[in-house]
Amino acid sequence: ETGVTQTPRHLVMGMTNKKSLKCEQHLGHNAMYWYKQSAKKPLELMFVYNFKEQTENNSVPSRFSPECPNSSHLFLHLHTLQPEDSALYLCASSPITGTGTGANVLTFGAGSRLTVL
Amino acid sequence: AQSVAQPEDQVNVAEGNPLTVKCTYSVSGNPYLFWYVQYPNRGLQFLLKYITGDNLVKGSYGFEAEFNKSQTSFHLKKPSALVSDSALYFCAVSFFSGNFNKFYFGSGTKLNVKP
Repeated sequence: ETGVTQTPRHLVMGMTNKKSLKCEQHLGHNAMYWYKQSAKKPLELMFVYNFKEQTENNSVPSRFSPECPNSSHLFLHLHTLQPEDSALYLCASSPITGTGTGANVLTFGAGSRLTVL
Repeated sequence: AQSVAQPEDQVNVAEGNPLTVKCTYSVSGNPYLFWYVQYPNRGLQFLLKYITGDNLVKGSYGFEAEFNKSQTSFHLKKPSALVSDSALYFCAVSFFSGNFNKFYFGSGTKLNVKP
């Protein structure tokens, strides 16, 4: 257990469904990230939230909608997805500043495996 | 553009032999460098990082990495591989952009350690 919890771990949805992925951390980190992991490709940064404010939207299609109600929780709302959106979606968190071994280190959740039919 | 390259999709090594997983990067400025490992059905786990100082960095599970500024490389090494080291390894760079740490990852290298 890394301290970053993602639910659900597996999700199968049709192209017309609406679903949400949830991420929760209680590490005291102020930055939270969504990454997309597809086979044999670099991890793709999707969104970054810093103290609940979105600071990065990496040209992600609008069918992905993030929400960060507080520094501990991050959601990814999904609607009208395409089969090519099937992937492992990883949430991560990090401290913004600080020193020591934990500084500048991303802590990842186990991921949500999404399959779009 | 910032990028991280892991030239090998897969590395095969016999248990007990030394292993090297290669990483080169192309970024502006002085980035922080990282290695992460991913076991099946798990998220990425931090192994080690280079910020400044000694070019040889030691991390978890006996892994180490050597920073080479002239070759812009940060290869991961271990003197004696274990079967349990078999996993997917990611190299990453980060730098502070605006008001957060921005991370770039390579495409990953699958390490197979055979008994």
